[in-house]
Amino acid sequence: DAKTTQPTSMDCAEGRAANLPCNHSTISGNEYVYWYRQIHSQGPQYIIHGLKNNETNEMASLIITEDRKSSTLILPHATLRDTAVYYCIVRVEGDNDMRFGAGTRLTVKP
Amino acid sequence: KAGVTQTPRYLIKTRGQQVTLSCSPISGHRSVSWYQQTPGQGLQFLFEYFSETQRNKGNFPGRFSGRQFSNSRSEMNVSTLELGDSALYLCASSAGTRALAEQYFGPGTRLTVT
Repeated sequence: DAKTTQPTSMDCAEGRAANLPCNHSTISGNEYVYWYRQIHSQGPQYIIHGLKNNETNEMASLIITEDRKSSTLILPHATLRDTAVYYCIVRVEGDNDMRFGAGTRLTVKP
Repeated sequence: KAGVTQTPRYLIKTRGQQVTLSCSPISGHRSVSWYQQTPGQGLQFLFEYFSETQRNKGNFPGRFSGRQFSNSRSEMNVSTLELGDSALYLCASSAGTRALAEQYFGPGTRLTVT
């Protein structure tokens, strides 16, 4: 069973920041927060991951609360190509038994 | 660097038959994981292979099996197919070490069982 909860769907205007929340209140101390996205008919794509510090890469930023019970994925300037289902997962680093939930369907609108 | 490749991309089989799916990981990656994705159940972990050994296994019946070859290529086999096995089967590869944990997914094989 997935250990995360996410909103079912969200909309975002093109060019604006998309903020996708995720709750993981039962996260363990050695579990990381990972984000993937899946564009229709393609395999999931890795976005970013973190343990407790905020992280940023060329795709997105990840903000993790101090108690680590929730996090937010930020796409700073959403484009139409960012329309996808976004999955938040918690896992021990290196553990490939990933339990995906239903994810958030993000629709970026012009 | 080439990505993860899966063959075939689409497959139609009849109930009771068996099927073999293939996955070639990214060059240098030693871990291959398999997932089943269906509209109702989402993405579910099947098993992971690392250096030709099954390292982890999800909650699927014994009809689902896999193996990994010395070149890290992996195959997944489903015997006695059932209608409920219709799904997108995804393969993901990673370096396999805890320091490099990102998994890279292939495009998947869409299996339809009639």
